[in-house]
Amino acid sequence: TQLLEQSPQFLSIQEGENLTVYCNSSSVFSSLQWYRQEPGEGPVLLVTVVTGGEVKKLKRLTFQFGDARKDSSLHITAAQPGDTGLYLCAGVGGEYNFNKFYFGSGTKLNVKP
Amino acid sequence: GAGVSQTPSNKVTEKGKYVELRCDPISGHTALYWYRQSLGQGPEFLIYFQGTGAADDSGLPNDRFFAVRPEGSVSTLKIQRTERGDSAVYLCASSHGAGELFFGEGSRLTVL
Repeated sequence: TQLLEQSPQFLSIQEGENLTVYCNSSSVFSSLQWYRQEPGEGPVLLVTVVTGGEVKKLKRLTFQFGDARKDSSLHITAAQPGDTGLYLCAGVGGEYNFNKFYFGSGTKLNVKP
Repeated sequence: GAGVSQTPSNKVTEKGKYVELRCDPISGHTALYWYRQSLGQGPEFLIYFQGTGAADDSGLPNDRFFAVRPEGSVSTLKIQRTERGDSAVYLCASSHGAGELFFGEGSRLTVL
């Protein structure tokens, strides 16, 4: 059972298009993280958001944490083939366990040149 | 290297056999996590250690799965009487407590 649901599960777009990935939960978390994973490798942290309503930008990537600290979104502007990968959100701590990381179901992004 | 190291990278075994997967975390990281990941899915929590003790083992699917970390560094995930449904990539991650998980490349287990 996944505490966090991501949508869409799969996304195939052309280079230059914009996209948004959503991460939703009924649970409250201390913070929320986004990771990116390439085939044959472990996930790598992109960002951590801590405060409800927080927005963080990382070049063409914009991350938002919901006001209630239950959901998050990742927006990519002008996607490039190098953005291809599996994007994972992870809820950290909260009501269950301070040091536990709960991963979402993942969004597989393919950016075609 | 300075990253998390997992061995073996690939393991093929027969149903019913015993398997051990090893994780060597980043030096000084006190927390160590094991996850299981099926193709195209998110990592599923198995167990995490704080030092030598298992702080939370609620994700271990049944008593065929066991993990140890006797000296607070290297950890071994042990699977007895393997089943085909155990086939997955087993990921290990370590953390120094600042909230970021550093993952290894995983051990791909295939049970025939």
